[in-house]
Parts: sequence; structure tokens; C-alpha cells
Amino acid sequence: EIVLTQSPDTLSLFPGERATLSCRASETVNSRFLVWYQQRPGQPPRLLLHGASSRAAGIPDRFSGSGSGTDYTLTISSLQPEDFAVYYCQQYGTSLLTFGGGTKVEIK
Amino acid sequence: QVKLQESGPGRVKPSETLSLTCTISNVSLGISGHYWAWIRQPPRRGPEWIGSIYRSGATYYNPSLTSRVTMSVDTAKNQFSLKVASVTAADTAIYYCVRLGEEYQPLFHFDLWGQGRLVAVSA
Repeated sequence: EIVLTQSPDTLSLFPGERATLSCRASETVNSRFLVWYQQRPGQPPRLLLHGASSRAAGIPDRFSGSGSGTDYTLTISSLQPEDFAVYYCQQYGTSLLTFGGGTKVEIK
Repeated sequence: QVKLQESGPGRVKPSETLSLTCTISNVSLGISGHYWAWIRQPPRRGPEWIGSIYRSGATYYNPSLTSRVTMSVDTAKNQFSLKVASVTAADTAIYYCVRLGEEYQPLFHFDLWGQGRLVAVSA
């Protein structure tokens, strides 16, 4: 099983600031199979990025992703009020799909 | 647009079987090339993939749950279903029905989610 560890657990930032979220895998993940989701309170997760860096339909360009191997990053260039949420990474490079434990981005 | 809606009891007693159904709107399950799946999310934790199913009934399950999980499809009703046997408090979670993001791929990302159904396991 590939374990995804996200850090930090919580990120406290002001609106307008840059957010950098990390997702580290216990073994190599093909970047094609690494995705990011956003989950707002009371809502299901929403697909943000697939293939580590490709934005899903309707996702603004302030969201970007990078990484390879075992280390992946989600960056939000300038936080908007609606971006304060929990973010999860997920991999599907093996026969067991797994998610990270999430990073909460909260207003400072 | 395509919509998913979970239904089923919100409370199940320990050792009993949890049963949920997902009704798909605006696309025919019998024609769609997508796999469909169940994901659950315990309180204050990350999501967990339970399994994926195709219109033919072909299934892929999470190995940690495979002994207790059964998924099925009913193309006539445009629904797919989940059963989890011998539940314990650890099975308390929001259960989501979802669509896999590319046709014919049982292991992929998830591009469409239902609103979720909270199921509590308690006596």
C-alpha cells in the first residue's frame, strides 16, 4: 500500500498570501497518477488537479501543482476567501487507491 | 448534468450489514463506459476508497475491506449499491458514491461525487 503523508496538518494564512502544501508518498508514484482535491465544509471533495499539475475543468489558474517520484506540491498563488478548505492528495498508481490525510488551510 | 444521490439508513447496529444505494441521473448506467465507486470518509479523516464497479458487475475492492464488502449494479433502475457486513464503530463515516474520471478505468481519479450519506454505527 502506498501511504501518502500530507504536511503541514494545518496552514494558517491571510487572504492574498501564497499557500504551499506537500504530499509525500511512501514509494514512487508516477506523476500521471497523482491528483489533488479540495473539500469545503459540508461538501464532498472536488477534483482540482490531475496528472500532478493539470487543472480540472473550471479550476482557476491560481492553483498549480508540481512534483515527481515521492514528493508533490500544491500551490495556491494568492488565497481567496473560498480557498480556505481542506486539501487531499490521492494516487492511483497501484491496485489500491489511497488518499493522504489532508491539509487544512485556515484563515489567520 | 450527471448527478449522483446516495440513499439508505443513517444508523446501523454493530454486527449488522450497512446497505446504501446510489441513484444516477442524466446518464444511463447501462450505456456509460465509466466505472462507479464508493468512497467513505470517517469524521475528521481523509477519504478511503472502498471499491469500483462496472455496468457488467465487474468489481475491484480495497483489499482491507474485501472480506466484508459487496457491490452490485441494477441497470434497469440506474443504480449501484454497497453492502458492508459485520459493521463496527470504525465503519462510521460519510459514504460517497462517485464516478471514475475516465471510461473503462476502474482505478483512476474521481471526477463526480454525490453529496454523501452519513452512516453511524451504534446500538
